[in-house]
Amino acid sequence: EIVLTQSPGTLSLSAGERATLSCRASQSVSSSYLAWYQQKPGQAPRLLIYGASTRATGIPDRFSGSGSGTDFTLTISRLEPEDFAVYYCQQYGGSVTFGGGTKVEIK
Amino acid sequence: EVQLVESGVGLVQPGGSLRLSCAASGFTFSDYWMHWVRQAPGQGLVWVSRVNSDGSSTSYADSVKGRFTISRDNAKNMLYLQMNSLRAEDTAVFYCARGLPMFFDRWGQGTLVTVSS
Repeated sequence: EIVLTQSPGTLSLSAGERATLSCRASQSVSSSYLAWYQQKPGQAPRLLIYGASTRATGIPDRFSGSGSGTDFTLTISRLEPEDFAVYYCQQYGGSVTFGGGTKVEIK
Repeated sequence: EVQLVESGVGLVQPGGSLRLSCAASGFTFSDYWMHWVRQAPGQGLVWVSRVNSDGSSTSYADSVKGRFTISRDNAKNMLYLQMNSLRAEDTAVFYCARGLPMFFDRWGQGTLVTVSS
């Protein structure tokens, strides 16, 4: 089973700042089968990125994904108030596993 | 509009059984793989199970294998999760999710399952 480790656990930033979230896999994720989700309190997750770098329908271009192999990054170029949430990475190259999440909180 | 709506009785005793349902609408249900993903209180997301588009193939997380059964009724646009031999550690919000096929582009609102005596 591929274990995904997300860092940092919590990111304290202000609106307008850049957020960089990391997701590291215990072994290579085949064909960049890596997705990112956003979850707000009391809500279901929302798909942001799949295939490591493809934005899902309706996702603003301030969200971008990059990486391959074992190291992946989600970048939010300029944080909007609605972006403060928990973010999860997920690999789907073999079975499905999720990272433990990164909380982006208001500084 | 794509909608996934989960339902199922919320509280069950350890060792008990429960069936969750997920009603799908707004898309051609039979074209998609479907999944169950759970989230224990205050914890992260954990994949539980998936069924392919025609119901002929299923897969389970090791933690639920032999206890949970996923199924679907394409005529009724319904997804199910039969959960037996429930344990306290199964307490979670259970989400049904549409798969593409193994990442999830639409999620239901979730239904809370509490296993407690």
